[in-house]
Amino acid sequence: EVQLVESGGDLVQPGGSLRISCATSGFIFSNYRMHWVRQAPGEGLVWVSYIERGGSGAVYVDSVKGRFTISRDNAKNTLFLQMNRLSVEDTGIYYCVSDPIGGTNHWGQGTPVTVSS
Amino acid sequence: EIVLTQSPVTLSVSPGERVTLSCRASQSAGNDLAWYQKKPGQPPRLLFYGPSTRATGIPARFSGSGSATEITLTISSLQSEDFAIYYCQQYNNWPWTFGQGTKVEVK
Repeated sequence: EVQLVESGGDLVQPGGSLRISCATSGFIFSNYRMHWVRQAPGEGLVWVSYIERGGSGAVYVDSVKGRFTISRDNAKNTLFLQMNRLSVEDTGIYYCVSDPIGGTNHWGQGTPVTVSS
Repeated sequence: EIVLTQSPVTLSVSPGERVTLSCRASQSAGNDLAWYQKKPGQPPRLLFYGPSTRATGIPARFSGSGSATEITLTISSLQSEDFAIYYCQQYNNWPWTFGQGTKVEVK
C-alpha cells in the first residue's frame, strides 16, 4: 500500500524558516517524480513544486521561487521542502503528492504551516 | 500561465440528480487536464486525467470528457458522498494550475 506521511508543519514568524518532510512507503520512491501542493485556508489549490526522480531537476511556482527548495533522499524514501523567508501568504496545508502509480496519484494527509507574528 | 475557469461556482442539487461541471482553459492544455474532488479535512482525490481516463477506484457514475480548452465532469446520479468541491487542473505547462473550484452542495 502506498503511503505518504508529511511532518514538520509548525507556527513560524514572518521571515522565518521551516523544513517539512514526507516519508513514503509502499512503492519504489526513486522511480517517481514527487510534488508539493498547498491549500491556503479557505482558498484553492496551488501546485508549489516538483522534483525529478534523481533529484537533479526541480521547478517552482513564481511565488516561492528563490525562497523554497525541494529535495529528496532516495535512500530514505523521503521528500523535503525547505522554506525560507516565509510570509503570511505561505500559510496553508502542504500536501506531498506522488506521480501516478497504479492509475492514480497518491496524496498525504498534509502538514499545516502557519506564518504569523 | 494557463488560467482555468470553472462554472458554475456553486451548484445546489439533490441526491439522485445529474450534475455537469465545466472547466475552460485560457489556452490549449492538450489532453493534460484532470479533475479532483476535495472534501474538508481530506486531501484532494484524483477523479480523471487525460481528461477522460478514470482514476483507480472512481465509481462509474463519474465521467469526464473534452480536451484542449474545455472539459466537463458529469455525475450521472449524485450520491450523498459526492457533495464536495471539484477542481480541474492542467499539467501541460508549468506552473501547473487549478481552477477556482465548483462547490456541489445540498439543495
